[in-house]
Amino acid sequence: QVQLVQSGAEVKKPGASVKVSCKASNYTFTNYPITWVRQVPGQGLEWVGWMNTYNGVTNYAQKLQGRVSMTTDTSTSTAYMELRSLRSDDTAVYYCARDQYNSGWYYLDYWGQGTLVTVSS
Amino acid sequence: DIQLAQSPSFLSASVGDRVTFTCRASQGITSSLAWYQHRPGKAPKLLIYAASTLQSGVPSRFSGSGSGTEFTLTISSLQPEDLATYYCQQFDSYPVTFGPGTKVDIK
Repeated sequence: QVQLVQSGAEVKKPGASVKVSCKASNYTFTNYPITWVRQVPGQGLEWVGWMNTYNGVTNYAQKLQGRVSMTTDTSTSTAYMELRSLRSDDTAVYYCARDQYNSGWYYLDYWGQGTLVTVSS
Repeated sequence: DIQLAQSPSFLSASVGDRVTFTCRASQGITSSLAWYQHRPGKAPKLLIYAASTLQSGVPSRFSGSGSGTEFTLTISSLQPEDLATYYCQQFDSYPVTFGPGTKVDIK
């Protein structure tokens, strides 16, 4: 069964950086892009960005451009999302999800369990 | 960016009720729409993709319809485990966007 297992909760101070990992298993990692989504407490889902795990191409949400980076380690089938210069409004649960492409349609078919990132002084 | 509006924002219904909620896109997105169920404390779960295709393993009481700018998700007979927030998401163009969600409560 496809699984995405994320790293544990983080507490960071404003201005610091955080790197969340997402380890994939039971499928060929480089065949499917990874999307990151976050949910600020009390709010809805927000798209953070997307990474092609085969060639490293990325696409980030404009509001996070310059602060977010997505990378992979294909030897361990792990995707990473790093967010720098953290602010209190970055406090959120961050999810990774597998992008599926089927007959011309895209969707996110498997999700990680989520990682709570708390930014607090 | 393509904006998605969902209505209602909150819905309270009884077990066995048929419930329908709507997602409207700010411009046409053909059928590039997915629906997710997000239970408290859990990861979102894919229900429907391509506007009307039921994801494998999802109960048949869930169905989706629509194309262009207006879409609906229907639960034919609401169950206690359907307590969740339901989000639509468009994949027609970047940035990918989500609707604000419809929270479903069981009376």
